[in-house]
Amino acid sequence: EVQLVESGGGLVQPGRSLKLSCAASGFTFSNYYMAWVRQAPKKGLEWVATISTSGSRTYYPDSVKGRFTISRDNAKSSLYLQMNSLKSEDTATYYCASRSRERGFDYWGQGVMVTVSS
Amino acid sequence: DTVLTQSPALAVSPGERVSISCRASEGVNSYMHWYQQKPGQQPKLLIYKASNLASGVPARFSGSGSGTDFTLTIDPVEADDTATYFCQQSWNDPPTFGGGTKLELK
Repeated sequence: EVQLVESGGGLVQPGRSLKLSCAASGFTFSNYYMAWVRQAPKKGLEWVATISTSGSRTYYPDSVKGRFTISRDNAKSSLYLQMNSLKSEDTATYYCASRSRERGFDYWGQGVMVTVSS
Repeated sequence: DTVLTQSPALAVSPGERVSISCRASEGVNSYMHWYQQKPGQQPKLLIYKASNLASGVPARFSGSGSGTDFTLTIDPVEADDTATYFCQQSWNDPPTFGGGTKLELK
């Protein structure tokens, strides 16, 4: 059974940093592109970052480019999101997901809440 | 960015057929996917590449369309289908989501 388990969320002040983790199991993690998708309270879904299988290529929307960094450790089947210079508009539930062009985001974690507030 | 437009809400009775639409601001070939999100849960992939049923998804769900107009159909609707349904395109960068259609049962 595929499992993606996020951790590392919490309350953080504006301008500070936070690092999210996602532990994967039940599939060959190193064969999959991975991504982070977020959902602000009572809002829709927003893609945040994608990383290639080896980790050599990363992609971000303009809203987080230069502030967020996605990375992975295939030996540990783990995905990470380093979030710097956090803003109130980054407040959301962050989901870890596997990603392909053919199948969209096919597996999702349960999500982790990040609240940016003073 | 490719904007995906969905109707905000629909209400149907159990046993009926419902169609949820998604219109793209530019062509996305067949690279449209559909997700179901129940309250307090993560999204779940239902349909990929417009018309392909994801593993474990009941055959009551189906998808159609290409280019800019896509439809998710549920027939017949069951009480457990109460959820918000999102479309998402992966043809153009960046990947984008529709605003979601909240399906309520009468």
